[in-house]
Amino acid sequence: NAGVTQTPKFQVLKTGQSMTLQCAQDMNHEYMSWYRQDPGMGLRLIHYSVGAGITDQGEVPNGYNVSRSTTEDFPLRLLSAAPSQTSVYFCASRDPRGGIETQYFGPGTRLLVL
Amino acid sequence: SQQGEEDPQALSIQEGENATMNCSYKTSINNLQWYRQNSGRGLVHLILIRSNEREKHSGRLRVTLDTSKKSSSLLITASRAADTASYFCATDRNNAGNMLTFGGGTRLMVKP
Repeated sequence: NAGVTQTPKFQVLKTGQSMTLQCAQDMNHEYMSWYRQDPGMGLRLIHYSVGAGITDQGEVPNGYNVSRSTTEDFPLRLLSAAPSQTSVYFCASRDPRGGIETQYFGPGTRLLVL
Repeated sequence: SQQGEEDPQALSIQEGENATMNCSYKTSINNLQWYRQNSGRGLVHLILIRSNEREKHSGRLRVTLDTSKKSSSLLITASRAADTASYFCATDRNNAGNMLTFGGGTRLMVKP
């Protein structure tokens, strides 16, 4: 299994541009989520999904959209990039069956908004 | 606001010494998890302790949980240079969709 994969690894955007961060997992996990990590800080939850067709907001959802059309994919869209969205973005997945509560993280996407 | 807060924010020790990191949280939890992050990498799950457990071991790791004080500690025994990383606690709160809330992390440096 490749686990959780994210693309791109690095991205530079200008203020106002839009883009989509891709996340895919091949473990058939129902739960997927997006976090952002700012320098020297922990992760903050942006959006999450508990299954295909179901998404919900996390702690810091403003400026981001998500969709979950398949179990495997959970893209994060920045609608109009702002410098405050400069961060490292992590996608994670989890299999809730059998009480397994640990999350598996992707390697991250480093985003710089100028 | 973050649910968990780690203490200390940074810790520097010599190889072979023990490292202790603490985490405090604010609301009731279902479980608490510790993750490790090497520089520039994603997070890796280390250990999970449930709200009805008080202590758990995994190799050189020992985690304690005190729900009355809303705190947890992570002890790494006989540290190695390869343990150098940031360590985060994350809480899985009751009725929160089972999504994690992370603290700010402890940056551990183990000097050879």
